[in-house]
Amino acid sequence: EAQVTQNPRYLITVTGKKLTVTCSQNMNHEYMSWYRQDPGLGLRQIYYSMNVEVTDKGDVPEGYKVSRKEKRNFPLILESPSPNQTSLYFCASGDTGREQYFGPGTRLTVT
Amino acid sequence: ILNVEQSPQSLHVQEGDSTNFTCSFPSSNFYALHWYRWETAKSPEALFVMTLNGDEKKKGRISATLNTKEGYSYLYIKGSQPEDSATYLCALGGGADGLTFGKGTHLIIQP
Repeated sequence: EAQVTQNPRYLITVTGKKLTVTCSQNMNHEYMSWYRQDPGLGLRQIYYSMNVEVTDKGDVPEGYKVSRKEKRNFPLILESPSPNQTSLYFCASGDTGREQYFGPGTRLTVT
Repeated sequence: ILNVEQSPQSLHVQEGDSTNFTCSFPSSNFYALHWYRWETAKSPEALFVMTLNGDEKKKGRISATLNTKEGYSYLYIKGSQPEDSATYLCALGGGADGLTFGKGTHLIIQP
């Protein structure tokens, strides 16, 4: 089944404790991206990648890191999470210029 | 950061009525315009990706038009049904500059 998977789906953590949210797709898509969704602010792009070893900042990259060592995986790393990173996170993939397929979302709470 | 505006923010429509809403965007450096449908507790799902001025796309009772010269796109729903209740997102870009989403139009269909 063609899909984008994210793990974990839910995470509660404390300020400063490094965490990684994984994202994997099985559709051989070149383009992958991370978004955060906050009430009243809509979906905002954090980072995106147009191919392996190519990553670019989106609109809200501060406090996040990503890597694209393999085509199928695009993990999101929070080196030192803070409460303002509490949000719903979505990973998405697609062919460049085509529709994006979204993962199920990860709800992160930082206390 | 690109400015993608959607109006109205929310909309109540009687079942069976037709409706439409707007996505406005800067007309310079246009790459592509995406429409997504986002149901509560689910992930956004692609409806259309449009790239050419004058594009019209249709999927069942939902259709969309694109005017890149004046920077707007309309989404139309004909004969609204309760299952059409969702947030409808438009997004600009998807090429080398990433994808910028509007805040969405929240549509509620009243039986």
